[in-house]
Amino acid sequence: NAGVTQTPKFQVLKTGQSMTLQCAQDMNHEYMSWYRQDPGMGLRLIHYSVGAGITDQGEVPNGYNVSRSTTEDFPLRLLSAAPSQTSVYFCAAGPSQETQYFGPGTRLLVL
Amino acid sequence: GENVEQHPSTLSVQEGDSAVIKCTYSDSASNYFPWYKQELGKRPQLIIDIRSNVGEKKDQRIAVTLNKTAKHFSLHITETQPEDSAVYFCAATNDYKLSFGAGTTVTVRA
Repeated sequence: NAGVTQTPKFQVLKTGQSMTLQCAQDMNHEYMSWYRQDPGMGLRLIHYSVGAGITDQGEVPNGYNVSRSTTEDFPLRLLSAAPSQTSVYFCAAGPSQETQYFGPGTRLLVL
Repeated sequence: GENVEQHPSTLSVQEGDSAVIKCTYSDSASNYFPWYKQELGKRPQLIIDIRSNVGEKKDQRIAVTLNKTAKHFSLHITETQPEDSAVYFCAATNDYKLSFGAGTTVTVRA
């Protein structure tokens, strides 16, 4: 039982490149979410999903896309990376937004 | 949307003393208030939570209080120990979303 896993752990991108951050959970939880963490700003919600096939925007969705084709996976796509997207990204899963278990995080640097 | 403010941003305490972190929220519909602890380089982990129908909750050395009328809630850590050094985040939730405060870096001095 791995809980919530994220890949990669660290990534360097050039401005304009695209990439997908992977998130998977083996707990069969309906709720999944993506946050970014920047110094002095806490964790900000990017997108969330209340179940397979359902996604919605959080506080800072611009520049990011998500999909939820299965209960287990919730990938985050950066279509055209910008330096402002340099951050640590956390995926979380849980039975609801009230109880969430975080993954180990992905550290992204956009040059 | 919900706006959560957290104070102080940094807190240094002597080992054995108490630490208090305060948060305010804006949306009166928020009904669940968790606290997360994040050690350096680690993921956030839930340490305690409180619901809107409860005024106080304790778990060993940590306690949370909630004042719904004033829309503020606090985390109290008693008899602080070196392993309490971390960043603490408060949060509030409604409408399927969790909104976090900016965090408090707590340092426990030996």
